[in-house]
Amino acid sequence: DQQVKQNSPSLSVQEGRISILNCDYTNSMFDYFLWYKKYPAEGPTFLISISSIKDKNEDGRFTVFLNKSAKHLSLHIVPSQPGDSAVYFCAASAAGGFKTIFGAGTRLFVKA
Amino acid sequence: DTGVSQDPRHKITKRGQNVTFRCDPISEHNRLYWYRQTLGQGPEFLTYFQNEAQLEKSRLLSDRFSAERPKGSFSTLEIQRTEQGDSAMYLCASSFLGIGGLQETQYFGPGTRLLVL
Repeated sequence: DQQVKQNSPSLSVQEGRISILNCDYTNSMFDYFLWYKKYPAEGPTFLISISSIKDKNEDGRFTVFLNKSAKHLSLHIVPSQPGDSAVYFCAASAAGGFKTIFGAGTRLFVKA
Repeated sequence: DTGVSQDPRHKITKRGQNVTFRCDPISEHNRLYWYRQTLGQGPEFLTYFQNEAQLEKSRLLSDRFSAERPKGSFSTLEIQRTEQGDSAMYLCASSFLGIGGLQETQYFGPGTRLLVL
């Protein structure tokens, strides 16, 4: 069962514009959400996280929005840069739980 | 470099051979995870350790797989009698969860890419 879903396998954006990556989850017990970025031949790199007590968390060009009622979160990258081209994974976990469940990833292409 | 390290980065083996991978976590981290990632998928949980204790194993981890974390430091993942379906990227991650802590962020190593011929 896919508890964390990233329905867009890929996204192409022009440099300087906004990139919006989406993620849906099904388990209402999830209360901590993370985004990881992965370049080819490297492990995932932690990008930003959000707790379920918040609906927004911002770190520089990266903002994560959480809509608990819709069980949906999104990552906004503004402005997008060619170096942002990578695969982005959404992940979720439950308080005190050991398992972090990952989505299948969205490949972002930022065109110069 | 104080990040998570994994060795080797690449391994090619023949079907039926045994392979062992090593992970060195971030030194102050008490939790260590192993994941497997195949093309087009996100990391899939295999097993995790709290200090030296292995607390959970996924059903993905058949009896051909074994993991250890002696002394709560580095960890090894061994695959016996490898099969072609074992070809994947094996990722290690570590985190710190204090007493009473509820949320943790895992930090990943670069992975070991296994190809079974």
